[in-house]
Order: sequence, then structure tokens, then C-alpha cells
Amino acid sequence: GAGVSQSPSNKVTEKGKDVELRCDPISGHTALYWYRQRLGQGLEFLIYFQGNSAPDKSGLPSDRFSAERTGESVSTLTIQRTQQEDSAVYLCASSLWGLLRYFGPGTRLTVT
Amino acid sequence: RKEVEQDPGPFNVPEGATVAFNCTYSNSASQSFFWYRQDCRKEPKLLMSVYSSGNEDGRFTAQLNRASQYISLLIRDSKLSDSATYLCVVNEGSSNTGKLIFGQGTTLQVKP
Repeated sequence: GAGVSQSPSNKVTEKGKDVELRCDPISGHTALYWYRQRLGQGLEFLIYFQGNSAPDKSGLPSDRFSAERTGESVSTLTIQRTQQEDSAVYLCASSLWGLLRYFGPGTRLTVT
Repeated sequence: RKEVEQDPGPFNVPEGATVAFNCTYSNSASQSFFWYRQDCRKEPKLLMSVYSSGNEDGRFTAQLNRASQYISLLIRDSKLSDSATYLCVVNEGSSNTGKLIFGQGTTLQVKP
């Protein structure tokens, strides 16, 4: 079956521009997560959606970052006024229950 | 102190060797533990869960020491294909859902 998909796979943007990253979770998965991975670093938690509960936004690094999720489907991560330090791979993951995570291939963001 | 700490390595071992990775975590309330594998420029993939009694999956053995807040992964008879980064992952708290905290990862390079 289809896994977690993300788009675009690569995004190059100029400093100061806004970007939107999309995640399509596995159908039926109630939980959706966004992580960020800078080059040579571990995964950094950004935000977590679980069903209709209020999202856990505790990992968002600044108010330039926001995320939305439509029901239990697609999610969009928006970064406003991008900075060079935002350059990273942004990974989305989904799960049905418990803590098993299925990751998408990621969006590689480069801010020039 | 980082929430999940790993020796980044790299560990360079010959084929057939046995290699062990360690990980420590800071939140004593954590209940769920995992090892993930991440290949270069790829998304992380679940390798195995870690159970209190220890568990084995083929050449891989995971162990948990709650008293010391320590997790290990043992790989026997290393293969070239085992070369990757191994991520130690810990549930942040005692709930069965919520965010996972990733270690920085330990890089393994298996040489012929």
C-alpha cells in the first residue's frame, strides 16, 4: 500500500520567502508528526497531531513556523520569512496507534 | 544534558564482527524505546522495539536497563549492508502516545 508521501522532494528558496511543505499520511493513521533534521544532526521534533485533539506545538522553533492538518489527512508545514538556518530535511511521519512511526521521504529545503 | 545521548561514532568494523551501541536517556518516566536505522539521505526506518526483558531479531539484540536508563543494540556477524546510522528513540513520557525523542545517531561502517 501507499506509504507517507511528501512534496516537494526538494525546495530551494531565497531568504525571506515563505514556503509550504506538504505531507500525505498513510490512510487511516490518526497521528501525524513533523520532524526536522539538519545536516549531520539528529531528528528534532516540531509538531504532533493526534485525531481531533489540540496539536502539540512544543517543538516549533519560532513563530515563523506553523502547521495545519485537515481532519485526519493531509498536513501542511509553513515557514514564513525563511532564514538560512531553516535549511534542513523536513520529515513527516504517521502512525495508527502507539508509537510506531512511518516516515515519508522528506523535503530537502535549501534557503539561499 | 541531552534527553537521549548516543556516541556518534563512527564505528568502523570488519565484516563478521560483533558491535554494540549504547544510548542513555534522561527521563525516568519514559516507557517506550526503539532503535531506528537511517541510511544516508534516506528517512529513518524502524529497526526494532526494545522490551524490558530484552529482545532479539536475527542478528540484532536490544536490551533495556531501566535502573541505569540505558539501552543497547548488539549486532552480530556484521554485514556490509548493516552500514548506516542507528538512532536510539525514546518516548518522552509515560503516555502511550506523544512525541518521540531521537538521539543524534551512531554511525556504523562495516568494511570488507
